[in-house]
Amino acid sequence: GAGVSQSPSNKVTEKGKDVELRCDPISGHTALYWYRQRLGQGLEFLIYFQGNSAPDKSGLPSDRFSAERTGESVSTLTIQRTQQEDSAVYLCASSLQGAIDEQYFGPGTRLTVT
Amino acid sequence: KNEVEQSPQNLTAQEGEFITINCSYSVGISALHWLQQHPGGGIVSLFMLSSGKKKHGRLIATINIQEKHSSLHITASHPRDSAVYICAVRGYGGSQGNLIFGKGTKLSVKP
Repeated sequence: GAGVSQSPSNKVTEKGKDVELRCDPISGHTALYWYRQRLGQGLEFLIYFQGNSAPDKSGLPSDRFSAERTGESVSTLTIQRTQQEDSAVYLCASSLQGAIDEQYFGPGTRLTVT
Repeated sequence: KNEVEQSPQNLTAQEGEFITINCSYSVGISALHWLQQHPGGGIVSLFMLSSGKKKHGRLIATINIQEKHSSLHITASHPRDSAVYICAVRGYGGSQGNLIFGKGTKLSVKP
């Protein structure tokens, strides 16, 4: 079946602009995660959605970052007033029933802020 | 000090060699993940374990909860195993969705 998909695959934006990144999880997966990987760095947790529970936003680096999820489907990660340090690959993952399950990763969106 | 430490950072091996990658962590965990990140950037989950040992093909993952240590072994390594291997742990409390990642071990297997 289809895996996790993300769009766009690449995004170049000017400093100060807002960007929206999209994630389509595997159908039926109740949990969805956003991660960030800066060049040469390890993965960083950003936010976790589990069913209808309030999302765990503990990894969001600033109030410029926000994310929404519609039910158990698509999620969008929004970065307002982008800064150069926001340049990174943003990865989305989903899992069937939550944190106890294996995560399936999308291909990522490479964001470059000029 | 990072909560999740991996060693070595970089590893070069000859095809056919037995490979071990280590992961040590300093927090109490409910599970540990091993991930593989291919040169193109795609990430695949290899194992999720909370005790003992798991095997999948030529890959074996072990964990010692008392020693807060896990190892990933690759038997009969092959150039296609070249990738970055990432250890991540899930702690207790909170939503448990927050994984803490190691910096990864870059493996290069030469033919």
